[in-house]
Amino acid sequence: ILNVEQSPQSLHVQEGDSTNFTCSFPSSNFYALHWYRWETAKSPEALFVMTLNGDEKKKGRISATLNTKEGYSYLYIKGSQPEDSATYLCAFSITSGTYKYIFGTGTRLKVLA
Amino acid sequence: DTGVSQNPRHKITKRGQNVTFRCDPISEHNRLYWYRQTLGQGPEFLTYFQNEAQLEKSRLLSDRFSAERPKGSFSTLEIQRTEQGDSAMYLCASSLVVFVGTGGGVETQYFGPGTRLLVL
Repeated sequence: ILNVEQSPQSLHVQEGDSTNFTCSFPSSNFYALHWYRWETAKSPEALFVMTLNGDEKKKGRISATLNTKEGYSYLYIKGSQPEDSATYLCAFSITSGTYKYIFGTGTRLKVLA
Repeated sequence: DTGVSQNPRHKITKRGQNVTFRCDPISEHNRLYWYRQTLGQGPEFLTYFQNEAQLEKSRLLSDRFSAERPKGSFSTLEIQRTEQGDSAMYLCASSLVVFVGTGGGVETQYFGPGTRLLVL
């Protein structure tokens, strides 16, 4: 059974703090790693897709890195703002010919003003 | 708004009743997925369509569940004889493939807001 783990499960930070989360996934049969941001009552929003070992992606104050050899990805938020409060999900896809995503349980972030 | 839409957004039903959910994907997307998220878990794959063909079904999809995509556009997910364990958020996604180099395609799935089901 393929398992994707995210840590921490939740955290509270003060406005202006920088923070990071971890997504761990099986390193064999890796195809792509996706990060989503999911705000309450809204659709999950695609942040990044990464495929190559060493990939780094950036979108405003949010960035992500990928290590496929050891099976982890980090998501960083610099200078957190209250609007960053959301659940951050990572999803892993494999090369077996199936297109389904395998999701982690998410990291719930609350940024306090 | 040209994103993925789902209806209804919320559904409360009594155990034993049938429910049907609808998903309208992004119009140019030919792949459509259903996922289910229960409390404290990440979304779990249920089934996947390429155009109108249902190509994969999870073991999570019991005989009481059926999904269709009759004309390769919108999709419906029906649950018959609902049970309390069916209470969950049901998410739909549609996808766009971007081919990179000579390898396979990299697919980003775009999600709808979900239908939250509560079975009493």
